[in-house]
Amino acid sequence: NAGVTQTPKFRILKIGQSMTLQCTQDMNHNYMYWYRQDPGMGLKLIYYSVGAGITDKGEVPNGYNVSRSTTEDFPLRLELAAPSQTSVYFCASSYAQGSYEQYFGPGTRLTVT
Amino acid sequence: LAKTTQPISMDSYEGQEVNITCSHNNIATNDYITWYQQFPSQGPRFIIQGYKTKVTNEVASLFIPADRKSSTLSLPRVSLSDTAVYYCLVGRNTPLVFGKGTRLSVIA
Repeated sequence: NAGVTQTPKFRILKIGQSMTLQCTQDMNHNYMYWYRQDPGMGLKLIYYSVGAGITDKGEVPNGYNVSRSTTEDFPLRLELAAPSQTSVYFCASSYAQGSYEQYFGPGTRLTVT
Repeated sequence: LAKTTQPISMDSYEGQEVNITCSHNNIATNDYITWYQQFPSQGPRFIIQGYKTKVTNEVASLFIPADRKSSTLSLPRVSLSDTAVYYCLVGRNTPLVFGKGTRLSVIA
């Protein structure tokens, strides 16, 4: 199993551009999450999904959108990128939410200039 | 969501036992206590989870007193490769919240 994979690994965006961060898991997990981590800080939850077709906001959803059309994929869309969105983005999945172990991807390092 | 408080940083020499304590005064009856480890430039990795008393695995031990208002992650005989950020999370059915964690630096 590959676990959780994310693409791209690195990306530089200009202010106002848009992009999609891809996340795929092959563990048949229902729950998937997107986090961002700013330098020296903890992870903040952006969006999460409890299953295909169902998504919900986390702590910091503004400026982002998600969709969950399949169990495996959970893309994160950035519209009109801003410097404040410069961060490392982690995708994760779990069998269920809360106390169940989350498996994290390797992250996408995004710079907006 | 139960809020957690843990030290921002800790230093230790190689070979020592390290104990990181996390406070969670408003933990709910059904909440579990979970610890994650994060190395630089990597996503967090699950270490250990418990509900009460003591849990031990090949990586660490987790001590939880009877009132469950705190927990202590114990890393036996740390090595340089244990240098990482350690997160304490509390919850059960809601998405878990990662705080800033404890940055452990192991010194040779």
